[in-house]
Amino acid sequence: AQKITQTQPGMFVQEKEAVTLDCTYDTSDPSYGLFWYKQPSSGEMIFLIYQGSYDQQNATEGRYSLNFQKARKSANLVISASQLGDSAMYFCAMREGERGAQKLVFGQGTRLTINP
Amino acid sequence: EADIYQTPRYLVIGTGKKITLECSQTMGHDKMYWYQQDPGMELHLIHYSYGVNSTEKGDLSSESTVSRIRTEHFPLTLESARPSHTSQYLCASGKLGRDEQFFGPGTRLTVL
Repeated sequence: AQKITQTQPGMFVQEKEAVTLDCTYDTSDPSYGLFWYKQPSSGEMIFLIYQGSYDQQNATEGRYSLNFQKARKSANLVISASQLGDSAMYFCAMREGERGAQKLVFGQGTRLTINP
Repeated sequence: EADIYQTPRYLVIGTGKKITLECSQTMGHDKMYWYQQDPGMELHLIHYSYGVNSTEKGDLSSESTVSRIRTEHFPLTLESARPSHTSQYLCASGKLGRDEQFFGPGTRLTVL
């Protein structure tokens, strides 16, 4: 069964608009962490934001925020005021078990294109 | 800012050749990882290590092998490359007790 599901293969957004990238996850472990990474065409993976399962507030990092809805098992990434440089693949990932456990499981990714 | 390096960035090689993909980090991280990623697809963990002389296989079966003789170095070796090994290989590292993984720039391998 897929542990991380990203249902949007591609998204097209006008520059300066906000965009929400969807991510749902599946785990029975009460302790887990959720991540978003950005992968430009150059191929490297850039860490954007992290949300722990016990965190009371939604994580924010500059223009990035994570809309964490625990009951729905969703962890959507919101990018405010999108820029041309935001065009990239975006991956949601999950760590199961206690913090510092070894492995991350990645979703299939969403290709975001920002139009001028 | 993470300091993790991979060489080569691009490699085109013939079938049957032995190759080693290099990964080094200067942050003193104990944990290191190798992921395989086909174009436009998700990452799959193929190897990981949580310290010197420790290596484990990941979720995706791979014909490659790894070694961890020094903390900063985690090379991946393919004894006999085949076209099915064509992919991008991403190395990552992280601190013990922390979740964040910092990635290198990747090696794009093409086996003809």
